[in-house]
Amino acid sequence: ETGVTQTPRHLVMGMTNKKSLKCEQHLGHNAMYWYKQSAKKPLELMFVYNFKEQTENNSVPSRFSPECPNSSHLFLHLHTLQPEDSALYLCASSQEGVTYNEQFFGPGTRLTVL
Amino acid sequence: AQRVTQPEKLLSVFKGAPVELKCNYSYSGSPELFWYVQYSRQRLQLLLRHISRESIKGFTADLNKGETSFHLKKPFAQEEDSALYYCAPAYSGAGSYQLTFGKGTKLSVIP
Repeated sequence: ETGVTQTPRHLVMGMTNKKSLKCEQHLGHNAMYWYKQSAKKPLELMFVYNFKEQTENNSVPSRFSPECPNSSHLFLHLHTLQPEDSALYLCASSQEGVTYNEQFFGPGTRLTVL
Repeated sequence: AQRVTQPEKLLSVFKGAPVELKCNYSYSGSPELFWYVQYSRQRLQLLLRHISRESIKGFTADLNKGETSFHLKKPFAQEEDSALYYCAPAYSGAGSYQLTFGKGTKLSVIP
């Protein structure tokens, strides 16, 4: 696999379930991101990890819990979600430096919360 | 909060016609400006960035600081240009750059 991969591609879960989304990047980048894309809102940045350290948390509810065990892997742990959390969750990576560098996106995980 | 406005949700043009996708952003310092594109069944990818002044697939984008606009243009639209286009300024914050995406404009090129 090359680029940014995400698993699973589709996930259906109940409000009481606990599940995790996985992202892996094969580009040697040092920064990773979680975004939420829903039908009614623009693409929203959720979390940023830079050198495995979380540098941004854009007021995301605690029912979303990110984990970055190393610079190649990023997880999003989900628990007690609400139906309005149904969306496409995108992972991205980039090489952080002095200036902004292109973010490379994964294909996304389509999440449905029943 | 930084804001990006893409006023057209959907834009339809005929093949060979000029196309302009509008983008206005809120001013805060000196953002770097980008256009990302998502073709059907493909992932989101970078189309062009202002700083490089490149023309990608015939598209260009002019930064107008006075109007805080970064409209995307192409003189002759092609069918393969049909896609979802996002304007995305990047703002510096907490030691890293963050992208702020507009709502996107879906471009449909009619044969």
